[in-house]
Order: sequence, then structure tokens, then C-alpha cells
Amino acid sequence: GAGVSQSPSNKVTEKGKDVELRCDPISGHTALYWYRQRLGQGLEFLIYFQGNSAPDKSGLPSDRFSAERTGESVSTLTIQRTQQEDSAVYLCASSLGFLGLYEQYFGPGTRLTVT
Amino acid sequence: KNEVEQSPQNLTAQEGEFITINCSYSVGISALHWLQQHPGGGIVSLFMLSSGKKKHGRLIATINIQEKHSSLHITASHPRDSAVYICAVNRGSQGNLIFGKGTKLSVKP
Repeated sequence: GAGVSQSPSNKVTEKGKDVELRCDPISGHTALYWYRQRLGQGLEFLIYFQGNSAPDKSGLPSDRFSAERTGESVSTLTIQRTQQEDSAVYLCASSLGFLGLYEQYFGPGTRLTVT
Repeated sequence: KNEVEQSPQNLTAQEGEFITINCSYSVGISALHWLQQHPGGGIVSLFMLSSGKKKHGRLIATINIQEKHSSLHITASHPRDSAVYICAVNRGSQGNLIFGKGTKLSVKP
């Protein structure tokens, strides 16, 4: 079946502009996660959604970052007033359920470059 | 100190060698994951385990909950195993993963 998809695959933007990154999880997966990976660094957690519960936003690095999810489907990560330090690969993952009991399936990522 | 530590950071092996990558963590966990990231960037889940040992083909993962330690073994390594291997944990009952910095493996023919 279809895996996790993300769009765009690459995004180049000027400093100060807003960007929106999209994630389509695997159908039926109730949990959705956003992570990022800066060049040469490890993966960092940003935010996750589980069903209709309030999202865990504890990993968002600043109030310029926000995310929404429509039901149990598409999610959008928005970065306002982008800065050069926002340049990274943004990865989305989904899982059947929550509480750390389920394997996570990763999308191919969106490579964001802020110039 | 990172909550998830991996060693070694880099590993070069000859084809056919037995490989071990280690992961230690300092928090209570509900599960530990081993992930593989290929040069193109895609991430694939290899194992999720909370106790004991799992085996898929030439890959074996073990975990010792008391010692807060896990190992990933690759038997009869092959150049196609070259990738970054990442250890990650679910802390407590949280769904999100906390990641180690990864081990870059290069297997030479």
C-alpha cells in the first residue's frame, strides 16, 4: 500500500518568508509525528498528533512553528518568518497507534533551504 | 548528556565481517527502535523491541532493560548494508521518539 508522502520534496525560500510543508500519513494511522534533521545532526522531535487529543507541541523550537492536522489525515507544518537556522530536512512519520507501542513509518522528507 | 547514546559514531568494515552497534539510554522507556537511514535520506524501521531479542534475516537486535542497553548486530555484512543506523526510544508512555546521533556504517567490498 501507499506509504507516508510529503510535499514538496524540496523547498528553497528567502529569509523572512512563510512556508507550509505537507504530510499525508498512511491511511488508518491515528498518530502522526513531525521531526527535523539539520545537516550533520541527529533527528529532533517537533510535534505529534494522536487521534482527537490535543497535540504534543513540546518539541517546537519557537512560536514561529505551528502544525495542524485534519482529523486523522493530512497534516501541515507551518514555519513563519523563516530563518537560516530553520534549514533542515523535515520528516513526517505515522503509526497505527500511540503510547510507544507501534512502529513508526517515515516519509521521504522535505528539504528546506532558507537563503 | 544525551538521553540516547550510540557507539561507535563511525564504523568501517570489510564485507563478510560481523558488526555490532551499541545503544545506551538513561530514561525509562516503553520501546526501543532501530532505524536505518540510507544516503538518499529515507528512513526505514528495522526493529521495535521492549525486551529480549529479535531477528530479521542477517540483522539481530537485543535489549537489556535492566542495563538500559541495546545492540544491533549484522552478520555477514555486505556493502549494501552501508547506511546510518539510528537508535531511538519512546520515553515512558510518550509516542514521540528520542534519537541517538546515529552510527555511520561503511562496508567495503
